[in-house]
Amino acid sequence: KQEVTQIPAALSVPEGENLVLNCSFTDSAIYNLQWFRQDPGKGLTSLLLIQSSQREQTSGRLNASLDKSSGRSTLYIAASQPGDSATYLCAVRPLEDSNYQLIWGAGTKLIIKP
Amino acid sequence: DVKVTQSSRYLVKRTGEKVFLECVQDMDHENMFWYRQDPGLGLRLIYFSYDVKMKEKGDIPEGYSVSREKKERFSLILESASTNQTSMYLCASVRTGRMARSNQPQHFGDGTRLSIL
Repeated sequence: KQEVTQIPAALSVPEGENLVLNCSFTDSAIYNLQWFRQDPGKGLTSLLLIQSSQREQTSGRLNASLDKSSGRSTLYIAASQPGDSATYLCAVRPLEDSNYQLIWGAGTKLIIKP
Repeated sequence: DVKVTQSSRYLVKRTGEKVFLECVQDMDHENMFWYRQDPGLGLRLIYFSYDVKMKEKGDIPEGYSVSREKKERFSLILESASTNQTSMYLCASVRTGRMARSNQPQHFGDGTRLSIL
């Protein structure tokens, strides 16, 4: 059964630093991996989707990588800002799924200190 | 942009009440989902629907039912609310039809924080 793990559960860094959030999954048979952002008390916003055939995706200061063979993905945030403070969740869509269901990690709560 | 609208941001109900949570999406998405989110447990899928009047149980369907009478609207029903159903409820939708690419992100509403007293 697919499991998704995000470590650490929380991270606090000074403004301006580059940082990496980690996501690991146990079964490499996936359609895609997605990264989401959640602000306190709000819903989720899709940040990046990496297809299983891709190695990385970029959007502005965000770069997500995917290594299926090792079951790992990273979300790289460059030049962090206080506005990046949020919880970041990763999720995978299993290859056998036909209903677009996702398997979710528990998230990493990121705090950027001014 | 896709808009997923949940009818209430905050809701307070009493034990035993029948509670309706409504979700509407404006992009003609085929699949819709209801999750609950609790500290330390992450997102858990309650029910999903892949078409009008079609529904499938997720991981934690007990105590809940759903209704999808129109493509744009997916309702979550707590038949007899209990205190352990106090949670954040999130609705999501995704395009899955023949014209869609196979890789589509889910789009979420802002959530409903439900308290059962």
